[in-house]
Amino acid sequence: GEDVEQSLFLSVREGDSSVINCTYTDSSSTYLYWYKQEPGAGLQLLTYIFSNMDMKQDQRLTVLLNKKDKHLSLRIADTQTGDSAIYFCAESKAAGNKLTFGGGTRVLVKP
Amino acid sequence: GAVVSQHPSRVICKSGTSVKIECRSLDFQATTMFWYRQFPKQSLMLMATSNEGSKATYEQGVEKDKFLINHASLTLSTLTVTSAHPEDSSFYICSASNPGGNQPQHFGDGTRLSIL
Repeated sequence: GEDVEQSLFLSVREGDSSVINCTYTDSSSTYLYWYKQEPGAGLQLLTYIFSNMDMKQDQRLTVLLNKKDKHLSLRIADTQTGDSAIYFCAESKAAGNKLTFGGGTRVLVKP
Repeated sequence: GAVVSQHPSRVICKSGTSVKIECRSLDFQATTMFWYRQFPKQSLMLMATSNEGSKATYEQGVEKDKFLINHASLTLSTLTVTSAHPEDSSFYICSASNPGGNQPQHFGDGTRLSIL
């Protein structure tokens, strides 16, 4: 079956780069997403990448995809205290279709 | 970006009450809406997928008579928790998408349901 895994926790100093890692098992995953969840709130779509891409950059966010290893990462440059949140990796077979989520990575940014 | 509005944001009610949660897509036509449940410090668990004008598809282990889903229009889906009990207390989140238009899922802000 489908499985998406992430590390549980990441602590980073303000101004440093954060890297959140995700692995998935389903080779037919076509779309891979990163969502951010702040306390008591819903999920905010940060970025997504198609499986035929290796890298996507959007301002401070860089997504790297290693399709051979089924490994996805999210790099946040110049991490700010407002970046403290839970980050979820997710995959789907097509845009807008059912998502399979990882367990979430709690990122804590220290001043 | 796309906006999904979910109401109410918080509900506290007595055991046995039925509670309705609304999910609206404000700026695109959502042919598909998803309902998730999230327990504290856990990931989202998909409960059901609803397609406009048809019956919802429930995930294994989710009671369809307990969690009634209606998706009568392209902008509105509702989840009704019938005869709610304390074990139904949770954070419920909806999302909306238009798969035909290559729209990724956009999420509402969630509803925290507390049953006393």
